[in-house]
Amino acid sequence: EAGVAQSPRYKIIEKRQSVAFWCNPISGHATLYWYQQILGQGPKLLIQFQNNGVVDDSQLPKDRFSAERLKGVDSTLKIQPAKLEDSAVYLCASKQGVSTDTQYFGPGTRLTVL
Amino acid sequence: GEDVEQSLFLSVREGDSSVINCTYTDSSSTYLYWYKQEPGAGLQLLTYIFSNMDMKQDQRLTVLLNKKDKHLSLRIADTQTGDSAIYFCAASYNFNKFYFGSGTKLNVKP
Repeated sequence: EAGVAQSPRYKIIEKRQSVAFWCNPISGHATLYWYQQILGQGPKLLIQFQNNGVVDDSQLPKDRFSAERLKGVDSTLKIQPAKLEDSAVYLCASKQGVSTDTQYFGPGTRLTVL
Repeated sequence: GEDVEQSLFLSVREGDSSVINCTYTDSSSTYLYWYKQEPGAGLQLLTYIFSNMDMKQDQRLTVLLNKKDKHLSLRIADTQTGDSAIYFCAASYNFNKFYFGSGTKLNVKP
């Protein structure tokens, strides 16, 4: 079974530029998460999707971050404009459904904002 | 929201047991998890325990939960160099909205 795919793996941009990350979850997984992991910290949930609907985006900085999962499969996370403090690894995870236990994580996208 | 705390580092010798500790604040958390993260990789679920359990054993891994003190521990028996990684404790309510600790870096010396 293929795992969670993310691209790009690395991205370097200057502050005030825009950037987008892509995630393809495991086939059939209805629940998809985006996390931000700052160096030395644990992952912090940004947004949770159930199919193409948003379940929780309470910690997403909506003035600059946006995410979508239009067809309920793959998802994109965008930052516009980026700030220095957005430098982090952005992790995507998926699981079969709301009531299942195991999240499967992708390898992440490491973003550096200069 | 939930606040999950862990110590930052642990160093052990190969063959010894490792004990990684975690505390959490929200008593309504129903599931407590341990994840492993190797360099450049995402997180891998090791094990989890339901909040009405005291202990769970899975091969070399033993999870102990003290619900009164909101304290969770992960014991790795016969620690190997391949166990060197960052271990994250996490809490959730009914498998949703996961809160992670900052991670404990385990260093296993040969």
